[in-house]
Amino acid sequence: GQQLNQSPQSMFIQEGEDVSMNCTSSSIFNTWLWYKQDPGEGPVLLIALYKAGELTSNGRLTAQFGITRKDSFLNISASIPSDVGIYFCAGPPLSGSARQLTFGSGTQLTVLP
Amino acid sequence: EAGVTQFPSHSVIEKGQTVTLRCDPISGHDNLYWYRRVMGKEIKFLLHFVKESKQDESGMPNNRFLAERTGGTYSTLKVQPAELEDSGVYFCASSIGETQYFGPGTRLLVL
Repeated sequence: GQQLNQSPQSMFIQEGEDVSMNCTSSSIFNTWLWYKQDPGEGPVLLIALYKAGELTSNGRLTAQFGITRKDSFLNISASIPSDVGIYFCAGPPLSGSARQLTFGSGTQLTVLP
Repeated sequence: EAGVTQFPSHSVIEKGQTVTLRCDPISGHDNLYWYRRVMGKEIKFLLHFVKESKQDESGMPNNRFLAERTGGTYSTLKVQPAELEDSGVYFCASSIGETQYFGPGTRLLVL
């Protein structure tokens, strides 16, 4: 099946710094999703990307769908304490009626004051 | 509008015992999904209901896991008998269209 390799596994940054994380796959995806999981909560969708090369922003978050359709990155600018959490990339199957999402293993972000 | 809710939030059981997890999807969402995250790993798909029917159960680990969605509303996921490797966070999600909305998860610890 499809697999997503997400890096880095964890990051410790100072408040105000920018952050970048990425996701790669050996197979192509037609949609890339970025979720954030706050402590004690479930994943919440941050950004959805539907076209190769697409660059989409949501406030301080920017994500891009790689040209090869095998990678995506998420940037967070000017980090703040509430950015703490686990960030997951995810994608649905390429075809068929299946709707299950494949997830990366997550990037645990810690923002130090 | 209420989001996806899950019960219990935490469960600690001994190996060999039975545990039943419950998920209440967002009202009107026909699609209901179960996922699991074992510590430090990726969130893995378990199964997908459309109303009361199992659309896809390809991710269910083995026959110790039984999911039901009688009446097409809430769903239960029963693990019987539980093993140590079943520990993890069990997420439920629901959707009408493409976007899946996740519940807060049930943290299961099997000792």
